[in-house]
Amino acid sequence: KQEVTQIPAALSVPEGENLVLNCSFTDSAIYNLQWFRQDPGKGLTSLLLIQSSQREQTSGRLNASLDKSSGRSTLYIAASQPGDSATYLCAVADSSYKLIFGSGTRLLVRP
Amino acid sequence: DAMVIQNPRYQVTQFGKPVTLSCSQTLNHNVMYWYQQKSSQAPKLLFHYYDKDFNNEADTPDNFQSRRPNTSFCFLDIRSPGLGDTAMYLCATSREIGLQETQYFGPGTRLLVL
Repeated sequence: KQEVTQIPAALSVPEGENLVLNCSFTDSAIYNLQWFRQDPGKGLTSLLLIQSSQREQTSGRLNASLDKSSGRSTLYIAASQPGDSATYLCAVADSSYKLIFGSGTRLLVRP
Repeated sequence: DAMVIQNPRYQVTQFGKPVTLSCSQTLNHNVMYWYQQKSSQAPKLLFHYYDKDFNNEADTPDNFQSRRPNTSFCFLDIRSPGLGDTAMYLCATSREIGLQETQYFGPGTRLLVL
């Protein structure tokens, strides 16, 4: 059974820092991996989707990498801003394309 | 502008009193999903519809039912809510089920069972 783990559970950084969020999964037979952002009390917004054949995806200050064989993905946020404060969730799609989520990393960027 | 709309945003109900949560979409997507997210936990898929085809997750309690009367609307019915059903309920849609499909989420309904 696929399990997705995100470490750390919470992270606090000063504005301007570059940071890395980690996601690991137990079964490497995934079809894609997505990173989502969730603001308090709100739904999820898709940030990046990496196909299983890809190694990374970039969008603005965000870069996500995928190492399927080791069961890891990272989300790199450059030059963090207070507006980046949110919970970041990763999710892997299994063979039936269902999403299995991690519990998220709660990020606080201090001004 | 909103693409996936959920009503109500907040719902308080009593133990055992049936409740219905609503989701509508303007994207004309074929697939609609319901997730349950308890505090500080991962969203957990309850079921999904591919068009009118209903797909239940094996561990979704019988207490949870769903209806999709047309492409735009999907309802989550909780027949006899228990205290453990207090959670955020997220509706999502996708155009299709497949490799490159992103799910679009609504803002969620926060349910409190007293």
